[in-house]
Amino acid sequence: GAGVSQSPRYKVTKRGQDVTLRCDPISSHATLYWYQQALGQGPEFLTYFNYEAQPDKSGLPSDRFSAERPEGSISTLTIQRTEQRDSAMYRCASRQSRGDTGELFFGEGSRLTVL
Amino acid sequence: AQSVTQPDIHITVSEGASLELRCNYSYGATPYLFWYVQSPGQGLQLLLKYFSGDTLVQGIKGFEAEFKRSQSSFNLRKPSVHWSDAAEYFCAVARSGGYQKVTFGTGTKLQVIP
Repeated sequence: GAGVSQSPRYKVTKRGQDVTLRCDPISSHATLYWYQQALGQGPEFLTYFNYEAQPDKSGLPSDRFSAERPEGSISTLTIQRTEQRDSAMYRCASRQSRGDTGELFFGEGSRLTVL
Repeated sequence: AQSVTQPDIHITVSEGASLELRCNYSYGATPYLFWYVQSPGQGLQLLLKYFSGDTLVQGIKGFEAEFKRSQSSFNLRKPSVHWSDAAEYFCAVARSGGYQKVTFGTGTKLQVIP
């Protein structure tokens, strides 16, 4: 697509439920990032993909969090057994490829509220 | 590990006044440095970036930033602030070369008063 698209924009769920967030990056972009942004904080790195490979997932806060990008395009971030502390904005960004300008293009984010 | 510090959580300036937002980074080698702006309800937008070469970089919307290796700083400046500049500003650092993790600071919220 022309820009990075995230869905849903807003998600309210009850504690203990599983949630899946979706990111559709710019179509020519090889690299995709997931960030978590709590209210009043900067984006915190969760993980990134280089096509379908996931070289770094060091930022995932627990094993309840997982991400995949099976065909090197659309990515999903799944949070199992959600907890209130998971409430945040989840931002996806994509980047063109090796040798590019390094600019990340961000989607508008998915705001998750866990009750 | 790379890190970014933005010491000012909130700054208020008068419209037309000059602006400087501070950013200090921690990284062993020459980093890639970025400034992003986030308006309410919007995604983050790149203002400018430093990769190499001239240490004074120009960005969009009249912003500039200067890379000072000796001070590990990459401060953002604008000579005359407009009301539309009110937003949150994030400094970010990445390892040079290849695909890499981009680490953001905690942000500085800018308020512009008439």
